[in-house]
Amino acid sequence: DTGVSQDPRHKITKRGQNVTFRCDPISEHNRLYWYRQTLGQGPEFLTYFQNEAQLEKSRLLSDRFSAERPKGSFSTLEIQRTEQGDSAMYLCASSLTGEGNQPQHFGDGTRLSIL
Amino acid sequence: GQQVMQIPQYQHVQEGEDFTTYCNSSTTLSNIQWYKQRPGGHPVFLIQLVKSGEVKKQKRLTFQFGEAKKNSSLHITATQTTDVGTYFCAGYISVGGSEKLVFGKGMKLTVNP
Repeated sequence: DTGVSQDPRHKITKRGQNVTFRCDPISEHNRLYWYRQTLGQGPEFLTYFQNEAQLEKSRLLSDRFSAERPKGSFSTLEIQRTEQGDSAMYLCASSLTGEGNQPQHFGDGTRLSIL
Repeated sequence: GQQVMQIPQYQHVQEGEDFTTYCNSSTTLSNIQWYKQRPGGHPVFLIQLVKSGEVKKQKRLTFQFGEAKKNSSLHITATQTTDVGTYFCAGYISVGGSEKLVFGKGMKLTVNP
């Protein structure tokens, strides 16, 4: 089990720049989730995919955020025109589908810092 | 607004003490999951509770799901320094026809050796 991997681990960028993060889920997992976590808070749901279909997107997510999972394997999360408030840890998780809700397996996250 | 609430947010205990932390939801949950996040790490799944009144044990950790499926508790017996971390409860809540996992703010545990 290679686990969920995310790249990069850290990203520092200037306000207004675009950034893209990548997530490779556990290979047999067909569900993939993106979360944002800030200090002292729990992970906040952003969006999720079942295979290549994006099934849910948080209403809190501005249109500067977009996610893709083109072949149903890895996923990318892009933030355009970054703002100070985008500084956070971006976590990816994956799970199987099955009866009931399945445990989610998290990656180590990408920490984004906006200068 | 916050749909899954955890109390307390912080807990400092002496090694060897027992303690309980609580999780409350404003809505009925189909199930509840607990995760642990060590300092600098990522959330790691601990357990899932599905049935009303369900109790599950993992060594010194006891998890309980309330009868109304709106609250849960985690009890740790004889706390050890390895228990340090933030414990999150998370419930699946229906939003717009699909369910998403909503996390509480977490309970940060520190242990005095």
